[in-house]
Amino acid sequence: DTAVSQTPKYLVTQMGNDKSIKCEQNLGHDTMYWYKQDSKKFLKIMFSYNNKELIINETVPNRFSPKSPDKAHLNLHINSLELGDSAVYFCASSHDLGRSTDTQYFGPGTRLTVL
Amino acid sequence: AQSVTQPDIHITVSEGASLELRCNYSYGATPYLFWYVQSPGQGLQLLLKYFSGDTLVQGIKGFEAEFKRSQSSFNLRKPSVHWSDAAEYFCAVGGSGNTGKLIFGQGTTLQVKP
Repeated sequence: DTAVSQTPKYLVTQMGNDKSIKCEQNLGHDTMYWYKQDSKKFLKIMFSYNNKELIINETVPNRFSPKSPDKAHLNLHINSLELGDSAVYFCASSHDLGRSTDTQYFGPGTRLTVL
Repeated sequence: AQSVTQPDIHITVSEGASLELRCNYSYGATPYLFWYVQSPGQGLQLLLKYFSGDTLVQGIKGFEAEFKRSQSSFNLRKPSVHWSDAAEYFCAVGGSGNTGKLIFGQGTTLQVKP
């Protein structure tokens, strides 16, 4: 059983296009996250949602818009893709917000390549 | 500001040898500290975490880490490395404000020689 799943696994697209990455968790968690891992493997949080409410927005360009239709899903939509958006994007979830000790469970990642 | 430093970008050890991966953090209050492992092409998996109590923490796959407040360190150790331990290792600190935010170090790539 996949706990945190992401689709697609690979995404290759042209500059200027709009694309979405989907994330689903079947752990019953209340909180979900998006992280970006750059080419140097540096991981940085982008967003977090708790029960469909935006909690963290880490100075990410407005071209990135997370959407949480329900607490099991957190999708990431990116408008007007740029070369610098090429990275691996990880979705994660945790049981609850407000407990920094909670384990975050990560999806397998989506490798986005912008040409 | 909170930060995490992993001084070693790349480490190579022989199979069966002991391992220590270094992690230093900067955080004003009592830190919540984590070690995650990322196998090639995979997501991150939690190895262990510390938030209070015994400063020597046991994790999965035979790993342990020791929290040393005086040195602002949380080094990861394993007495005998297996070839399957080759991966990327990330140290992280829980951010302030109980937002669930994790601040990661830049990672250490572990290569295991046969």
